Amino acid sequence: DAGVIQSPRHEVTEMGQEVTLRCKPISGHDYLFWYRQTMMRGLELLIYFNNNVPIDDSGMPEDRFSAKMPNASFSTLKIQPSEPRDSAVYFCASSSSGLSTDTQYFGPGTRLTVL
Amino acid sequence: AQKVTQAQTEISVVEKEDVTLDCVYETRDTTYYLFWYKQPPSGELVFLIRRNSFDEQNEISGRYSWNFQKSTSSFNFTITASQVVDSAVYFCALSGQGAQKLVFGQGTRLTINP
Repeated sequence: DAGVIQSPRHEVTEMGQEVTLRCKPISGHDYLFWYRQTMMRGLELLIYFNNNVPIDDSGMPEDRFSAKMPNASFSTLKIQPSEPRDSAVYFCASSSSGLSTDTQYFGPGTRLTVL
Repeated sequence: AQKVTQAQTEISVVEKEDVTLDCVYETRDTTYYLFWYKQPPSGELVFLIRRNSFDEQNEISGRYSWNFQKSTSSFNFTITASQVVDSAVYFCALSGQGAQKLVFGQGTRLTINP
């Protein structure tokens, strides 16, 4: 079975540009999570969805960040306008339930560089 | 608040040595879950193990073993007879009751030298 798919794997953009990261969760998983990994802050949860509905977006750093999940097989994380401090690896993960018992499976990540 | 501490930032050993990665956690939940993930140089996060707070039995999977001790709030990970392919950053993580928000430690970078 295919794992979590993310695209692009690498993105280089200039400050002020809009960036869209994409994620396809594992089929049948109804929870989707977006994480950001930086050297300074480590791995942090940005937002997560259940059945396409955002449940907790308290980790979203500011209004420049937005996430959507229009259907069960696709989610986007958008940054507009991007800034150099947004440079990080962004991971998408999915799980089959919201219970703490379940395991989150991660995608390969998108390495974002904002110049 | 939940917190995971991996005090060892970096560990370097010679191949075939045994190595233990420490993880200490804090939570007020009575039910919680602990995880280990591996991040190899290629960058992806690979799930290794999940443990719930009611099960303190040690777990062994090949060369990997995990020691969970509630009395010391620790969930340590041991690699026996380490190999170069074990070189990676290893993360310990915690989730509590209710929503499945994972809290990660800062990670331990393990280097196995030939």
